[in-house]
Amino acid sequence: GQSLEQPSEVTAVEGAIVQINCTYQTSGFYGLSWYQQHDGGAPTFLSYNALDGLEETGRFSSFLSRSDSYGYLLLQELQMKDSASYFCAVRDRGNTPLVFGKGTRLSVIA
Amino acid sequence: KAGVTQTPRYLIKTRGQQVTLSCSPISGHRSVSWYQQTPGQGLQFLFEYFSETQRNKGNFPGRFSGRQFSNSRSEMNVSTLELGDSALYLCASSLGTTSGFYEQYFGPGTRLTVT
Repeated sequence: GQSLEQPSEVTAVEGAIVQINCTYQTSGFYGLSWYQQHDGGAPTFLSYNALDGLEETGRFSSFLSRSDSYGYLLLQELQMKDSASYFCAVRDRGNTPLVFGKGTRLSVIA
Repeated sequence: KAGVTQTPRYLIKTRGQQVTLSCSPISGHRSVSWYQQTPGQGLQFLFEYFSETQRNKGNFPGRFSGRQFSNSRSEMNVSTLELGDSALYLCASSLGTTSGFYEQYFGPGTRLTVT
């Protein structure tokens, strides 16, 4: 089966950079996804890493190290609207479900 | 392209009753997954359907069931409701391909309250 570990809460200052880490254990591995969920809203897809390295999409970047079973989401130039919960998700090889971490609640303060 | 829709958005039921929730995926998406979300528990996987077949089932009791129709629309049913079933139930659709499965599009959810 799969298991994921991510910090439960992170606080950062507006305009700063924050990194949200995710470590995972799977018996096989396809890739790592990140989702954002604002309070009262539905999760929205942010990124997917299948290969090692950094993927950049605007102010958000996601990194994967398959050898370390580790990834992170990097948010730059933080804005108040980035206050939300962020979930990492993985899936084993074969027809297995996408499993989500418990989420990291990011609070951006002035 | 229209997003994922879920009906109803809110439901209040009493213990012992049953409930049916509906999900219409994005056009062209053949995979539908259901999740239960409660405070502090993240997203708990319930089912995944692909082309009318249940491909995976999460660790939930048999009171939770689902199905997918030929037009990819999906329903989930919870029988003999318990107080602990109060949660946000989220439906997500994806293309169903290996890489596409990672990119799921969620509906707004159905907020179920059991009293």
